[in-house]
Amino acid sequence: QLQLQESGPGLVKPSETLSLTCSISGGSIDSGLYFWGWIRQPPGKGLEWIGNIFYDGLGYPNPSLKSRLSISFDSSRTQFSLRLTSVTAADTAVYYCARVRRFADYVDTWGQGALVTVSS
Amino acid sequence: QSALTQPPSASGSLGQSITISCTGTSSDVGGYNFVSWYQQHPGKAPKLIIHEVNKWPSGVPNRFSGFKSGHTASLTVSGLQADDEADYYCSSYAGDNTYVFGSGTKVTVL
Repeated sequence: QLQLQESGPGLVKPSETLSLTCSISGGSIDSGLYFWGWIRQPPGKGLEWIGNIFYDGLGYPNPSLKSRLSISFDSSRTQFSLRLTSVTAADTAVYYCARVRRFADYVDTWGQGALVTVSS
Repeated sequence: QSALTQPPSASGSLGQSITISCTGTSSDVGGYNFVSWYQQHPGKAPKLIIHEVNKWPSGVPNRFSGFKSGHTASLTVSGLQADDEADYYCSSYAGDNTYVFGSGTKVTVL
């Protein structure tokens, strides 16, 4: 069964870059049936879709984050990463990595989430 | 991309039914039959309960049902149980491989 696990610093300074990695186990990136994505949730607030990446490396960002966002796979293709530049306190959130079923467009697997706080 | 509109809260007694709405536009809910619903308990990751407007993932009871008309989708929870007390989020495909979530509804079981 597919499992996803986020990892990365829990504290980032304002104006710096937020970096998170999602480790994949029990499944393969190399399937045309899925996107691999990131979703976040500020404390006490709702979910926000951040962006997806397809197995061929093509990224699909939320337009509101596009200028600051990068999603990529690692060379082993067992992890994918999120980089968000020039962060502010508004980027403080629990960040979830996720697998999105294409052509039906739903998240079928979520990571447990990682809290990232932006503060000096 | 604006968040889909959901009522902030809904409540019902044990055994009763509640319905949560999710209103979007012709660019998302109204344009595609790719609306999904997620249940989130405090401190936990969301869990898929409905996909493609009205389909159930394996293991989800049919007490949860979905519907869509025009730009508004809805989730009905029948036979409310204590464990149904949670936050519920809708989501829709919004074209060009982008997605949008709803604002979330907190369900209280009385």
